[in-house]
Amino acid sequence: TQLLEQSPQFLSIQEGENLTVYCNSSSVFSSLQWYRQEPGEGPVLLVTVVTGGEVKKLKRLTFQFGDARKDSSLHITAAQPGDTGLYLCAGPGGSQGNLIFGKGTKLSVKP
Amino acid sequence: DAMVIQNPRYQVTQFGKPVTLSCSQTLNHNVMYWYQQKSSQAPKLLFHYYDKDFNNEADTPDNFQSRRPNTSFCFLDIRSPGLGDAAMYLCATSRAARGQGYRGYTFGSGTRLTVV
Repeated sequence: TQLLEQSPQFLSIQEGENLTVYCNSSSVFSSLQWYRQEPGEGPVLLVTVVTGGEVKKLKRLTFQFGDARKDSSLHITAAQPGDTGLYLCAGPGGSQGNLIFGKGTKLSVKP
Repeated sequence: DAMVIQNPRYQVTQFGKPVTLSCSQTLNHNVMYWYQQKSSQAPKLLFHYYDKDFNNEADTPDNFQSRRPNTSFCFLDIRSPGLGDAAMYLCATSRAARGQGYRGYTFGSGTRLTVV
């Protein structure tokens, strides 16, 4: 069974700080996705990474896919309170290639 | 705007009383999914419809059923809710074609189910 491990589980920082969260697996994934979920809402897709070593930027967010396609990271520069939420990584790995999710990193950015 | 809509946002049901959650989409996506998400846990896939084909996950309890009467609507039926079924239920859609790679999901806002 493919598993995605995310770390840290919780992260509380001050506005303006930088942070990195990680998504790791012992399995190779054809792609990985990052979602952000706010309390009481469904996850919203941020990015999909497909190629090993790929780096994608979305404003202050930088996503990287590991060369071996077993891990990914999300780096946020100058975090803002609006970045607060649960960050989930996900990849196709279910019985029919459906998405499986990590448990997420719960980020709190204090003003 | 094209979207995935779940109703109701909050549902309180009695222990053992059947309950139905609904999901509708205007994206014309051919695949619809139901996930269960408990507090501080990853969303867990219950089942999905690929077009009209129903696909149940092996560990989904029989207490959970689903119906998809047409492309736009999908329902989650819990026949006899237990206290352990209290969770956020997420509906998602995607457009998929066999052998043509993977695309992202669009999620609804979820239904938070409380069992009393």
